[in-house]
Amino acid sequence: GESVGLHLPTLSVQEGDNSIINCAYSNSASDYFIWYKQESGKGPQFIIDIRSNMDKRQGQRVTVLLNKTVKHLSLQIAATQPGDSAVYFCAENINDMRFGAGTRLTVKP
Amino acid sequence: DGGITQSPKYLFRKEGQNVTLSCEQNLNHDAMYWYRQDPGQGLRLIYYSQIVNDFQKGDIAEGYSVSREKKESFPLTVTSAQKNPTAFYLCASSTGQGFSYEQYFGPGTRLTVT
Repeated sequence: GESVGLHLPTLSVQEGDNSIINCAYSNSASDYFIWYKQESGKGPQFIIDIRSNMDKRQGQRVTVLLNKTVKHLSLQIAATQPGDSAVYFCAENINDMRFGAGTRLTVKP
Repeated sequence: DGGITQSPKYLFRKEGQNVTLSCEQNLNHDAMYWYRQDPGQGLRLIYYSQIVNDFQKGDIAEGYSVSREKKESFPLTVTSAQKNPTAFYLCASSTGQGFSYEQYFGPGTRLTVT
């Protein structure tokens, strides 16, 4: 099956800055997308999801953007905090859920 | 508190032994899933169950077995036939049947086989 990919494996930002984590997907039939946060040694934690009939969805300090034209998904984190340091990965639903390998976000104080 | 529990957190076994990983949820979710996570890779689906007494193979089911006798429990057995069993195993559940629903994950079990 097709898999979800990521543009960058690591991202380092200054505390207080905004973070943008990107994800490319290859299956135009995918209809549901999720962003997860995973801290070291723990299970993934749901951040935000979006369905293919939407372009943008906002949560608390997070925004997900979906560009179906170029098959691109992004997660924006506003005012990044040290507690945001983790691996972030996206997942797409086709017939089952496909997960990307993740981007490691490091927040510098 | 509602959630998914996995036990134990760390598990060590000798090669050739079968081992069973526990997964319990009190969220009243119909669907449950088992994934394997290896360093630098995305989660890979081992087995899933959308209803009690029914389950389907995922992408990497060889060397694994599951049962779903109760709605809240979905144990995974890693058999001696699994050629590379050392990994981080994650259990998840979701409200709906099918994959278009948010999956809630447990804390994971790290299995080391030597």
